[in-house]
Amino acid sequence: NAGVTQTPKFQVLKTGQSMTLQCAQDMNHEYMSWYRQDPGMGLRLIHYSVGAGITDQGEVPNGYNVSRSTTEDFPLRLLSAAPSQTSVYFCASSRKTAATEAFFGQGTRLTVV
Amino acid sequence: DAKTTQPNSMESNEEEPVHLPCNHSTISGTDYIHWYRQLPSQGPEYVIHGLTSNVNNRMASLAIAEDRKSSTLILHRATLRDAAVYYCILRDVSTGFQKLVFGTGTRLLVSP
Repeated sequence: NAGVTQTPKFQVLKTGQSMTLQCAQDMNHEYMSWYRQDPGMGLRLIHYSVGAGITDQGEVPNGYNVSRSTTEDFPLRLLSAAPSQTSVYFCASSRKTAATEAFFGQGTRLTVV
Repeated sequence: DAKTTQPNSMESNEEEPVHLPCNHSTISGTDYIHWYRQLPSQGPEYVIHGLTSNVNNRMASLAIAEDRKSSTLILHRATLRDAAVYYCILRDVSTGFQKLVFGTGTRLLVSP
């Protein structure tokens, strides 16, 4: 099983550029979410979705947009990259019943110069 | 979000048991206790979860205190591959989307 697939694995952007981080899951999970992890810290929630067409903000949403047109895909858009967005980004998916496990992608390491 | 407290780091020798503690004194009746681990340069990986009773799976055991204010993740025989950061997380299953709130976790060092 592929699980949660994130692309690209590494990316370098210049300040002001935009880009989309891709996330796809093949487990038919309702819930999908994006986290960022800064050095030495735990993960922080950026945006999440409880189903196709439904998204909401997490604790650090500024500078990011998301959409969920299908169950499988949940892309994260950086509108105008800033050095403060240098981080490792993780996508996660889980079933609607939260007493079960969440599955995480391998991460995208983003550097904004 | 209910808070958990874990030691910053612990050390173990290979093939010895490891007991990773977690305190969650403000846990509510609908909070599940989840454990995830993060190997170097990888995404978090589910380990185990439980509500009230002790739980076992192929990776680990979870011992939950009778008052549920603390729990312990038990790795029965540590291997070098178990060196990771371990996160203890509470998930409230009573309503809607339940985000995973990651603290800084416990960094487990395993020596040969």
